[in-house]
Amino acid sequence: AQRVTQPEKLLSVFKGAPVELKCNYSYSGSPELFWYVQYSRQRLQLLLRHISRESIKGFTADLNKGETSFHLKKPFAQEEDSAMYYCALSGSGATNKLIFGTGTLLAVQP
Amino acid sequence: SAVISQKPSRDICQRGTSLTIQCQVDSQVTMMFWYRQQPGQSLTLIATANQGSEATYESGFVIDKFPISRPNLTFSTLTVSNMSPEDSSIYLCSVDRDATYGYTFGSGTRLTVV
Repeated sequence: AQRVTQPEKLLSVFKGAPVELKCNYSYSGSPELFWYVQYSRQRLQLLLRHISRESIKGFTADLNKGETSFHLKKPFAQEEDSAMYYCALSGSGATNKLIFGTGTLLAVQP
Repeated sequence: SAVISQKPSRDICQRGTSLTIQCQVDSQVTMMFWYRQQPGQSLTLIATANQGSEATYESGFVIDKFPISRPNLTFSTLTVSNMSPEDSSIYLCSVDRDATYGYTFGSGTRLTVV
C-alpha cells in the first residue's frame, strides 16, 4: 500500500540552525516524491520534487530508494521558513493521485 | 502553472443541508482531485474526477455523501450532502501534475457545520 510517514509533528529550531524534516515512504513501484509547504493563511504550494533535483529557498531533498526516504534539509534555517511542510507521493501509473504525509510544523525561533 | 479558482472560500452551514463547492481551472486538465483536510490533520484524498466518466472514490468516501460533477476539462464541483458537524473541514481541489510545477491546489473552502 502507498504510505507516507512524517514522524515529527513539530520541529522547533533556532534561526541559523540546520533543519532536517524526515519523510519515509512505502510504495511498490517507482514513485515520484514531493515536498509541499503551507505558510500561514496561504494555499498549499510545491516546494520540491525529486525529479527536478533543484534547490528551492535553500532547501534540498534527495531520494534514497534503499532507505525509502526523502528527507528535506536546509543548512541554515530562517524565521520565514516557519510553516507546515508536507511530504507527498505519487505513483507512476495512470492514476496520478497524490498521497500526503501527516505534515511537520517547522517553527524557527529568533 | 495552472491557476485554480475555488469557491466559496468559506461557509457556515446548518446540519442536514448540502453545500456545493466549485473549482475552475484556467486551462484544460485531464484529472482533478478533491481533498479534505480536517482540523489539525493532513490532506486526505476524497476522489479523482475525470471528464466524461464517474469519479473514483477512495476508501471511506461514497458518492451519495460526496457527489462530484466534471462537465468539462476546466471545471468540477464537489457537493457535501446531508452535512453533520463531523464534515467541518477544509476542502481543496487540485489538478494533475504539470511538468514543471507538479500538482496545483486551490485556495480551499473552509466549511463549518453547526
